Amino acid sequence: GQQLNQSPQSMFIQEGEDVSMNCTSSSIFNTWLWYKQDPGEGPVLLIALYKAGELTSNGRLTAQFGITRKDSFLNISASIPSDVGIYFCAGHDNYGQNFVFGPGTRLSVLP
Amino acid sequence: EAGVAQSPRYKIIEKRQSVAFWCNPISGHATLYWYQQILGQGPKLLIQFQNNGVVDDSQLPKDRFSAERLKGVDSTLKIQPAKLEDSAVYLCASSLDNSLNEQFFGPGTRLTVL
Repeated sequence: GQQLNQSPQSMFIQEGEDVSMNCTSSSIFNTWLWYKQDPGEGPVLLIALYKAGELTSNGRLTAQFGITRKDSFLNISASIPSDVGIYFCAGHDNYGQNFVFGPGTRLSVLP
Repeated sequence: EAGVAQSPRYKIIEKRQSVAFWCNPISGHATLYWYQQILGQGPKLLIQFQNNGVVDDSQLPKDRFSAERLKGVDSTLKIQPAKLEDSAVYLCASSLDNSLNEQFFGPGTRLTVL
């Protein structure tokens, strides 16, 4: 089945730093979604991308739908302690048949 | 607006026992999803309902897993009999229409199979 890869697997940053993470697929995706999951909670949608090249912001978060349609990036600017959590990418493949999540990037913010 | 409700929040059973999880979606949401999230992995879609009909259950292990949404509102997911590898968080989500892009997740039920 379809698989998504996320990198890095985990990262430790200082409060105030910017963060960048990415998600890649071996096949073309029609939609890219970015979620954040806090411990003991379900994922919460952060940003949805629907077109190749699309760049969308949500506060300090910015995500881009890669031109090749095989990748997506999420950037967080000026990180704060509440940014701690696991960030998942997810998406639909080109046929809209499969909806899959990546394995996640675990973010830790040090004060 | 109340979110997606799930119960129980935690469940510990022994292998070969049966277990059931309950989900109450957001009011008015026609589509309901069940996911399995194994520790350290992203959620995996098990089954998707549109009202009381199944849209996609291609990744549901049907030899032991079953799900129903008889009246098109609440849903139950059952595992019978459970195996050790079923230990995971079972997430329920709902969306207004058949749009995976606009789904809201519940807090999940953490299942431990001993």
